[in-house]
Amino acid sequence: GQNIDQPTEMTATEGAIVQINCTYQTSGFNGLFWYQQHAGEAPTFLSYNVLDGLEEKGRFSSFLSRSKGYSYLLLKELQMKDSASYLCAVKDSNYQLIWGAGTKLIIKP
Amino acid sequence: EAQVTQNPRYLITVTGKKLTVTCSQNMNHEYMSWYRQDPGLGLRQIYYSMNVEVTDKGDVPEGYKVSRKEKRNFPLILESPSPNQTSLYFCASTSLKMGGEVAGELFFGEGSRLTVL
Repeated sequence: GQNIDQPTEMTATEGAIVQINCTYQTSGFNGLFWYQQHAGEAPTFLSYNVLDGLEEKGRFSSFLSRSKGYSYLLLKELQMKDSASYLCAVKDSNYQLIWGAGTKLIIKP
Repeated sequence: EAQVTQNPRYLITVTGKKLTVTCSQNMNHEYMSWYRQDPGLGLRQIYYSMNVEVTDKGDVPEGYKVSRKEKRNFPLILESPSPNQTSLYFCASTSLKMGGEVAGELFFGEGSRLTVL
C-alpha cells in the first residue's frame, strides 16, 4: 500500500527553527509537495522537490532524499503566523497525489 | 484574479436531501479534483477529472457523483447525504503536462463545510 508519515503535532518557540519530517512509501515517485494550511482554510503551496537536495525559499526550506523516501520542511525565524498544519504530498507513478495526514505546528511566544 | 470558487461555504442539511456543491475555476485548468478532509485523516480524494467529460474515482467515491460538462466547472453531488458525509470539502485545480501528469501546485477553493444531520 501507499503510505506517508508525518508527526501529528509539534510545538516550537517564536524565533526558533523547526524541522517537520515526512517519510513515504509509494508506488513510484514523481515529486513531493509541501503545503501550509491554517485552521479552517484552504491549503496553500509552499514547495516542490523532485530532485535530491535542499530547496530554499526565504524562511522556508525543503529537503528531499529519494533513496531514503524522506523529506523535511525547515522553518526558520518562526513567527506566530506560522502556526498551521503542514501537509506533505507525493506524486506517485500514476501522477496522482498521495497526501499525508498533516503536522499541526503550534508556535509559543 | 486567478481563483477556485466553491459554493456554498457552509451548509447544514438533513439525511437524504440531495445537494450540490459547485466549483468553478478561471485558470483554464484541465485537472480538477474534489477532496474531503476529516480530523486525523488528511485530504482524501473523492473524484477527479482530467478534462471535459473525463472523470475518475478517487479513494473515497462512495455516495458522491460529479460531472464535467464544461472546463471551468466541476460540481460535487450528494444524491442522498448521510451523517458520515459530514466533512470539510475542497475543490482544487491545476494544469496538466503532456501525458496527463499534474504539472505543478494545486490551487484550492476556500472549502465547504457540510453538516448532515
